[in-house]
Amino acid sequence: GQQVMQIPQYQHVQEGEDFTTYCNSSTTLSNIQWYKQRPGGHPVFLIQLVKSGEVKKQKRLTFQFGEAKKNSSLHITATQTTDVGTYFCAVLMNYGGSQGNLIFGKGTKLSVKP
Amino acid sequence: EAQVTQNPRYLITVTGKKLTVTCSQNMNHEYMSWYRQDPGLGLRQIYYSMNVEVTDKGDVPEGYKVSRKEKRNFPLILESPSPNQTSLYFCASSLSFSGFQPQHFGDGTRLSIL
Repeated sequence: GQQVMQIPQYQHVQEGEDFTTYCNSSTTLSNIQWYKQRPGGHPVFLIQLVKSGEVKKQKRLTFQFGEAKKNSSLHITATQTTDVGTYFCAVLMNYGGSQGNLIFGKGTKLSVKP
Repeated sequence: EAQVTQNPRYLITVTGKKLTVTCSQNMNHEYMSWYRQDPGLGLRQIYYSMNVEVTDKGDVPEGYKVSRKEKRNFPLILESPSPNQTSLYFCASSLSFSGFQPQHFGDGTRLSIL
């Protein structure tokens, strides 16, 4: 079945350093979503990418969708302690007529040292 | 306030004792789903519902039941809980399924099955 690989699993950075997490799929994706989960919290929607090669920015966060729509990345410039949490990508599984099945990557847990 | 409400937030129970986790949303969303979150495994979808009286299996449906009798409610039922169902559970909803809408998550229910 469709799988989404997310790397790295953990990332420890010094405050002010950059951070990137990647999601890779073996199949072409229709679109991809990114979520952030703060420690002890619930996942919160960040953004959705739909078009091949799409790049979207939210302040220090830059989201990219690959040209082949098989991979995506989330880049944070100059991390702050408020960026701490786990970042997930999510894709829609399409096979066997089951069009409602959402697949989440395993997440990248970001810790930021002040 | 627009929200997804889960109850209970915490539950410790014993093997075999039927339990129900309720989920309710006040946003008139068509799509609702349940996830479990386990360390190292990320978020895995248990069941989802595209509309009233329409439910379908996600990735890990074994040992769970759901129902969608009303648009706002989507309870998760564990008929005979076992220790391997100890987990953090999230309910989520989205406006509709077309276009892969952003998921709005509840605060989570932490279940411990002894």
